[in-house]
Amino acid sequence: AQRVTQPEKLLSVFKGAPVELKCNYSYSGSPELFWYVQYSRQRLQLLLRHISRESIKGFTADLNKGETSFHLKKPFAQEEDSAMYYCALSGPGGDTGGFKTIFGAGTRLFVKA
Amino acid sequence: GAVVSQHPSWVICKSGTSVKIECRSLDFQATTMFWYRQFPKQSLMLMATSNEGSKATYEQGVEKDKFLINHASLTLSTLTVTSAHPEDSSFYICSARAQTGVADTQYFGPGTRLTVL
Repeated sequence: AQRVTQPEKLLSVFKGAPVELKCNYSYSGSPELFWYVQYSRQRLQLLLRHISRESIKGFTADLNKGETSFHLKKPFAQEEDSAMYYCALSGPGGDTGGFKTIFGAGTRLFVKA
Repeated sequence: GAVVSQHPSWVICKSGTSVKIECRSLDFQATTMFWYRQFPKQSLMLMATSNEGSKATYEQGVEKDKFLINHASLTLSTLTVTSAHPEDSSFYICSARAQTGVADTQYFGPGTRLTVL
């Protein structure tokens, strides 16, 4: 079954501290993994994707196929990083066919001054 | 950049009526659009995948006759909630898939808040 698991609903860190948002997935195949971010009162937007292997706003994420994980990391959190973060998986849709993206439950990151 | 709009942004209706929500890709053509539903403090739940010119593909547990999806053009998909009931009250979000560079990217609309009285 396709599934994305984000075990933490809320993560609170101090400004300047490292942050890691966890994401594990279950998928029979080679999915594409994403992190989306939703700032307060804004729409969901793409933060980064595993195939790009890039750093966006200081965030990085490495796909670990052995552990089926795609954790999001930032060495020094900033107050403006406070937002809702969703891990997502895209790929062929299994029983229903086609291509689709499914989301984890989300982790709210709160960066304290 | 690619922009997806939704209309209306919010709607209040009486129980038993039908409500139509539009999703448009403003500056790109989207062969595939997706409809999600989001309950308060919960994640996005995929309802259906809408393909231009063909029938939508619904996720398990989503009633096809209740949530009618039409994707008449490459820039427009509509979701009609038929005979709405209070339990249909939710935040509905659409997204459109666009090809950017070598990879596809999903762009999300701002969402539509439906309240059924």
